[in-house]
Amino acid sequence: GAGVSQSPSNKVTEKGKDVELRCDPISGHTALYWYRQRLGQGLEFLIYFQGNSAPDKSGLPSDRFSAERTGESVSTLTIQRTQQEDSAVYLCASSYTGGPQPQHFGDGTRLSIL
Amino acid sequence: AQSVTQLGSHVSVSEGALVLLRCNYSSSVPPYLFWYVQYPNQGLQLLLKYTTGATLVKGINGFEAEFKKSETSFHLTKPSAHMSDAAEYFCAVSLTNTGNQFYFGTGTSLTVIP
Repeated sequence: GAGVSQSPSNKVTEKGKDVELRCDPISGHTALYWYRQRLGQGLEFLIYFQGNSAPDKSGLPSDRFSAERTGESVSTLTIQRTQQEDSAVYLCASSYTGGPQPQHFGDGTRLSIL
Repeated sequence: AQSVTQLGSHVSVSEGALVLLRCNYSSSVPPYLFWYVQYPNQGLQLLLKYTTGATLVKGINGFEAEFKKSETSFHLTKPSAHMSDAAEYFCAVSLTNTGNQFYFGTGTSLTVIP
């Protein structure tokens, strides 16, 4: 597809379970970003990839959160031992470079922790 | 420190009236500025951007924004509101000397009254 694709679109899981969220960026985009958006709030930066490297992990809220990117393409955000406060929409974006290029967003994964 | 402030978390306008959404930033270096729109259950879509050159920037759907360095502002306007403009609007800044991270405002929810 032409846009950023995220899966699943919705995920409901029990507290304490691990979840994996996937992002397929636009082909050729070297930069990839993860954000968290809690209900009614703005975007909270989580992590940024340039290629397969993550020069900026400053936004990861705890060591339960991790992310990786392979083949300068797909990225996975993993949340271990989920807590109710992890409930949010997780948005992925990609851009041509890590510079000030516009980011193209996916539709997000809505994560609900019971 | 860098930040983005959007004054007014909720703005209501009548259909056909002027839309004005405010954004102020703080930055120690020349910024790149963006406005994004988010429709329900979707990701963010770029409306317009300012990088260099002309300070009045025109975007999609009839929106425009003016970069005013002296006021550190980048307010979004549209002369005549449409019902379809009802959405969440986010202002964002990216710094020219890092390019690694976008700083998003907390968003302004626009309601258009028929």
